[in-house]
Amino acid sequence: EDKVVQSPLSLVVHEGDTVTLNCSYEVTNFRSLLWYKQEKKAPTFLFMLTSSGIEKKSGRLSSILDKKELFSILNITATQTGDSAVYLCAVGVGNKLVFGAGTILRVKS
Amino acid sequence: GAGVSQSPSNKVTEKGKDVELRCDPISGHTALYWYRQRLGQGLEFLIYFQGNSAPDKSGLPSDRFSAERTGESVSTLTIQRTQQEDSAVYLCASSRLTRGTGELFFGEGSRLTVL
Repeated sequence: EDKVVQSPLSLVVHEGDTVTLNCSYEVTNFRSLLWYKQEKKAPTFLFMLTSSGIEKKSGRLSSILDKKELFSILNITATQTGDSAVYLCAVGVGNKLVFGAGTILRVKS
Repeated sequence: GAGVSQSPSNKVTEKGKDVELRCDPISGHTALYWYRQRLGQGLEFLIYFQGNSAPDKSGLPSDRFSAERTGESVSTLTIQRTQQEDSAVYLCASSRLTRGTGELFFGEGSRLTVL
């Protein structure tokens, strides 16, 4: 069975802190790994990773994939209260995305 | 349209009733997905449509669940004889890719509550 596991389940930090979110996976037919941010309802796309060791960056967010060890991390530096959300990791398997349960991030001012 | 549109946004129904949820994907997106998200959990794959190919129904949890899509347009997800465990947010997503998985664009979801 394809599996995506995220950790931690939740964390609370103060504004300005740096956080690292983890995603590990065991799937049969890996195609890609995606990160989404979910604030209220619709998840919004952050990154898609297909190659090991190549960091993707967007402002204060960055992500990297390790296909040998089967995991990815999402880093957020200088966190802001607007970063509070559920961060979802998903792995492309065949024609679908298999999602982890998410990490709930709360940034306190 | 500009984004994926879903209706209704909220639906409260009694156990045993049938419900129909609608999804209007982004124009030109050939792939359409339905996911279910129970409270505090991740997204659970239900069904995938790609153009005129046979849909991938491998995620449908029981034969009470069915979905249709007309060509590359609107899709409806039907749940018959609803049960309390069907309560969840049903998310629709579309993608322009014809093969494999890339970025999915999600709608706001339909929140279903079965009393």
